[in-house]
Parts: sequence; structure tokens; C-alpha cells
Amino acid sequence: DAKTTQPTSMDCAEGRAANLPCNHSTISGNEYVYWYRQIHSQGPQYIIHGLKNNETNEMASLIITEDRKSSTLILPHATLRDTAVYYCIVHQAGTALIFGKGTTLSVSS
Amino acid sequence: GAVVSQHPSWVICKSGTSVKIECRSLDFQATTMFWYRQFPKQSLMLMATSNEGSKATYEQGVEKDKFLINHASLTLSTLTVTSAHPEDSSFYICSARDGQGRRGEKLFFGSGTQLSVL
Repeated sequence: DAKTTQPTSMDCAEGRAANLPCNHSTISGNEYVYWYRQIHSQGPQYIIHGLKNNETNEMASLIITEDRKSSTLILPHATLRDTAVYYCIVHQAGTALIFGKGTTLSVSS
Repeated sequence: GAVVSQHPSWVICKSGTSVKIECRSLDFQATTMFWYRQFPKQSLMLMATSNEGSKATYEQGVEKDKFLINHASLTLSTLTVTSAHPEDSSFYICSARDGQGRRGEKLFFGSGTQLSVL
């Protein structure tokens, strides 16, 4: 079973920041937080991952709370092409990614 | 980022026939690959873990004799759906692990294969 809880859906206006929350209260010390997204009929796309520090790359920022029980994925300037299902996954190295239901993000103009 | 190539993108076959799906890691060596299945409006479900040079490990409820997995090299894993049935119609996705980074591994996915069994 997935070890994360995410809202089923979220809406965001184009050009605004999209903040996607994720709860992972049972995360273990050696588990990372990963974010992937899936656009319809495509394979999941890696976005970002982190252990305990905040992370930023060209796609997004990942904010992890100090107790590591929750995190937020931030898309700073959402575009229509960011409409997708976003998956927050707690993952231990050497194992498979286990997907939950994710958050369906709808970006509108 | 690393690239995982999956082929074919879609395939239509008759009941009772077999279909082979290929998954290749193009710019890294993947000792481990994973196979998932996704039904419409559902999330990805892990089917099996494929390790190079050894037998695959199947998740509970996945028939190993029906879904044959071969991982003969560090860059290629194949999934063969044998005696296909309409119930096998689904979106199949492979994933490969690039464990070279020091800050946690990354897993990359193929583009998926839509299988339709008539």
C-alpha cells in the first residue's frame, strides 16, 4: 500500500504557483520523498526527490517539513502543459516505486 | 535525464497469441527493471521486478507463466504476455533504476505500451 496521502484533485490558474501537498507521517529515516507526474497515456516523468533538505531543480521545488512527515511540491509558474496526475512516493533505495492515487492537477487559462 | 525506451507503443493482437514488449535503458546500465500495469483511471500497479541474469520476482496475484520476463542484459528487459486474453488489455509500463547518484537513486520510465486484445 502507498504510504502517502494526497488530495484527489487541485486546480491552478496558468502562470500561478501550484502547491501540491503530501502527507507521509510514517516515513522511515532511510526513505526519500519522490515526485513523479503522469500525463495521459504516457509513462511517469521524474520531477524531483529529497531526503530532508529542500530541493530545487529546473522543474520544481520540494519543501520537506523538519519532521519529514509532510512535503509540498511547488511548480512556480504553472502552464497548461503541467496538467497531469502528480504522485508523491516514499521510496527506499533498491525497491520498486509504489504508486498511490496521486493528485490530478488541472491548470486552466 | 536518463532515457528508457519502450517498444512498441501500442499493439493489437488476437486472443490466444503472445505479445512481447521491450524495455531498454539507453544511456545507463540497469541491473534492475520493474514492470507495471495500469488500467483506465487507475494508478500504476507493480507486476514484477526484473534483475539482470536472474529470475524475475512477481507480485502477488501476477501469473509468472503468463507474464514472462527476461532480463538478459544490463540494458534490455522484455515482458511477454502469453496466450493473451481480452482481460490482459491494459497499459504496460517499464521502469529502470539508475543508481549511480550519491543523493538517492533515480528511476526512469518508458513511454508505455497500450495492449488491446481482441
